[in-house]
Amino acid sequence: NAGVTQTPKFQVLKTGQSMTLQCAQDMNHEYMSWYRQDPGMGLRLIHYSVGAGITDQGEVPNGYNVSRSTTEDFPLRLLSAAPSQTSVYFCASSYSIGSGNTIYFGEGSWLTVV
Amino acid sequence: DAKTTQPTSMDCAEGRAANLPCNHSTISGNEYVYWYRQIHSQGPQYIIHGLKNNETNEMASLIITEDRKSSTLILPHATLRDTAVYYCIVRVADGGTSYGKLTFGQGTILTVHP
Repeated sequence: NAGVTQTPKFQVLKTGQSMTLQCAQDMNHEYMSWYRQDPGMGLRLIHYSVGAGITDQGEVPNGYNVSRSTTEDFPLRLLSAAPSQTSVYFCASSYSIGSGNTIYFGEGSWLTVV
Repeated sequence: DAKTTQPTSMDCAEGRAANLPCNHSTISGNEYVYWYRQIHSQGPQYIIHGLKNNETNEMASLIITEDRKSSTLILPHATLRDTAVYYCIVRVADGGTSYGKLTFGQGTILTVHP
């Protein structure tokens, strides 16, 4: 996958803890987004950003915060982790939000909340 | 979003062409068809996309019918490493709550046999 880097790759949290999943891209992409994928299900959009300083909610935003202070970085914050947030998280980016622009995904961050 | 329909699973012999169909009968004129694949919970990998014309790249070919209601992804010489879940996605072109988002369905599980 071209240029989208996620850290950490694996994380175990206790219920109520907070943490940040990091996402960085080096392709000067304006559009970035976070998805989660639960077992046997497709990816669902959590939050997205169309540029630095601009963020918006996707279809499952509750329990997550995002910010976009630079073009390169789009961190996802879990405010108070819950077992329902156990999932695989994927960050994605594209040149712009327009539908002809390819979206590229990171390798994923596996999160377990106990 | 335009809904897509794909077969649940398909088999293919190694070295042969794999033809994966997708129906998208409600697609709008400015919506693109994208194909991604996902191997073993890795990040979704972009394969190809198109609007009206057939497309080819180093990975695959995309054949879109003239009425745009269906398409076929062709992997010309399938290998064991092509075993994956393949997603056909129609991407919204303009505005609205689905703008910029990729809606992943269940996809087609392609198994390539030796």
